[in-house]
Amino acid sequence: DVKVTQSSRYLVKRTGEKVFLECVQDMDHENMFWYRQDPGLGLRLIYFSYDVKMKEKGDIPEGYSVSREKKERFSLILESASTNQTSMYLCASSSQGKANYGYTFGSGTRLTVV
Amino acid sequence: GNSVTQMEGPVTLSEEAFLTINCTYTATGYPSLFWYVQYPGEGLQLLLKATKADDKGSNKGFEATYRKETTSFHLEKGSVQVSDSAVYFCALSDQTGANNLFFGTGTRLTVIP
Repeated sequence: DVKVTQSSRYLVKRTGEKVFLECVQDMDHENMFWYRQDPGLGLRLIYFSYDVKMKEKGDIPEGYSVSREKKERFSLILESASTNQTSMYLCASSSQGKANYGYTFGSGTRLTVV
Repeated sequence: GNSVTQMEGPVTLSEEAFLTINCTYTATGYPSLFWYVQYPGEGLQLLLKATKADDKGSNKGFEATYRKETTSFHLEKGSVQVSDSAVYFCALSDQTGANNLFFGTGTRLTVIP
């Protein structure tokens, strides 16, 4: 069964900590995405990547960075966590040139920053 | 540009009621259209899709028809169950090589016994 795996379902971190959220997909997808989801705001795109070692800013990149050293892994980094980064984080992947397949999502990581 | 507008929630229905969640879109070209469902505490799952005009996507009793003339893709189910309580997202794919998806803001459905 193909899947996108996010390393943690729940995380609690302290303000100022450096936080890594990991995402791995086993579908050989070129594209990977990080979203955050907050009540009333829907899905907001943070960063995405179309290939290894490349990245593009989404709609809300401030306070985040990403790393894609291998095709299957896309990491989201909170350089210095703040309470306004408490949220549900969703990773997704997709295949280039296969628009009809949509995205495959991970189960999400609920991050709380205290 | 590409965008999706879906009906604001929350929607509360009694079990066995008929469900419609409206979705309209703006797109260049001929997008593919999707409905995703998110159950509590989970990520999004693909519910159904349609790739060209007049196609009907269906799954788990849900249906949606790709209407190019009205630029709509409304989600329907004839008889909802408590287990259908979730957030539903409409989305379109821009059909470029990048295969970007554009999402609506989501509609929360609660079904009460």
